[in-house]
Amino acid sequence: ETGVTQTPRHLVMGMTNKKSLKCEQHLGHNAMYWYKQSAKKPLELMFVYNFKEQTENNSVPSRFSPECPNSSHLFLHLHTLQPEDSALYLCASSRGPSGGKLFFGSGTQLSVL
Amino acid sequence: QQPVQSPQAVILREGEDAVINCSSSKALYSVHWYRQKHGEAPVFLMILLKGGEQKGHEKISASFNEKKQQSSLYLTASQLSYSGTYFCGTELLSGGGADGLTFGKGTHLIIQP
Repeated sequence: ETGVTQTPRHLVMGMTNKKSLKCEQHLGHNAMYWYKQSAKKPLELMFVYNFKEQTENNSVPSRFSPECPNSSHLFLHLHTLQPEDSALYLCASSRGPSGGKLFFGSGTQLSVL
Repeated sequence: QQPVQSPQAVILREGEDAVINCSSSKALYSVHWYRQKHGEAPVFLMILLKGGEQKGHEKISASFNEKKQQSSLYLTASQLSYSGTYFCGTELLSGGGADGLTFGKGTHLIIQP
């Protein structure tokens, strides 16, 4: 148990569906992140939030839309995804925006049909 | 700015040593090391913030050569529990470390009895 909880653990969706991934951290951290992990590529940084403000968008397609309502919660809204978006989506948090170790959630395994 | 890891994979007998390297083409603010077991989230091992810094964790240690912009992870007298994929993550000096971690492709380590 890392203190970072992600739901759901598994998600299957069609290309026309809209779904959301949820991440919650109970560590009092101020920075939260979304990473994508697929078999063909390493851990890819998608979004960075520091104190609820988005500070990094790593050229992610607009079909992925993050939301950070407070420093404990992070969402990733998904719509009109492509099969190549199937991957493990990992949420992480750290105490601050730099030099802090990441605590990862267990991830959401997403399959797009 | 993705760091380059080598080797891609290592197969060892229990008790043998291994070295995993991570290098960057840009000046680094920090280097992190994580281990991920199959089906689990990456787990933090250590962080190196200064050039020449060495840190240790049980029989796993790491060094950071600031001039060469590279880090090495040393696993001595390997145990079966060390099996997994090792990732280095780097924060760039240009971003003050606030741009989030960029990970290498990982090194698959298999320890055989």
